[in-house]
Amino acid sequence: KAGVTQTPRYLIKTRGQQVTLSCSPISGHRSVSWYQQTPGQGLQFLFEYFSETQRNKGNFPGRFSGRQFSNSRSEMNVSTLELGDSALYLCASSPGTGGGEQYFGPGTRLTVT
Amino acid sequence: GNSVTQMEGPVTLSEEAFLTINCTYTATGYPSLFWYVQYPGEGLQLLLKATKADDKGSNKGFEATYRKETTSFHLEKGSVQVSDSAVYFCALSDWGIQGAQKLVFGQGTRLTINP
Repeated sequence: KAGVTQTPRYLIKTRGQQVTLSCSPISGHRSVSWYQQTPGQGLQFLFEYFSETQRNKGNFPGRFSGRQFSNSRSEMNVSTLELGDSALYLCASSPGTGGGEQYFGPGTRLTVT
Repeated sequence: GNSVTQMEGPVTLSEEAFLTINCTYTATGYPSLFWYVQYPGEGLQLLLKATKADDKGSNKGFEATYRKETTSFHLEKGSVQVSDSAVYFCALSDWGIQGAQKLVFGQGTRLTINP
């Protein structure tokens, strides 16, 4: 099976702009989660979607949003970018049931200048 | 809330040395436990998992045992290789309402193996 794919891999934006990141999960997986990875804060949970519904949300401002489509592909959007949003954004997929393991994509490296 | 604490890094070892990376957790209930590995420029790869007390997860020579009495899940390998150089993350599954789940990660331990 193909793994989790994320596009784009690298992105440079300026403050105040918005950005959309895309994630395609492993075939058959219905749950998609997003994480932010920074050197200072480590890996932090953003949100999780299952069958197009957001089931869980982390402690991030409303500028961070996401959605999931009927084919389980997911997007996350960050509006009004700030310098502190520079990070590696990781998408993970899982069947949505079972032991809880998640399978990660390579990430999108976002740099805000 | 649930949390994971890993030993501080970085850790530097010589090839063929014995590796231990400590991980302890705080959780209500009985979460599943995981070790993930991240190589430079890549995402996280699931290394091993354990879903209940006394379970031993193993993969590629790495092992970890789910110890409920000490709330620990230490990662071990008997003989490390240069190719094991990476950042290692301990994590637990945190289940919410509607079956929603998220992973809670430790801060990561950077491992460097010298030839």
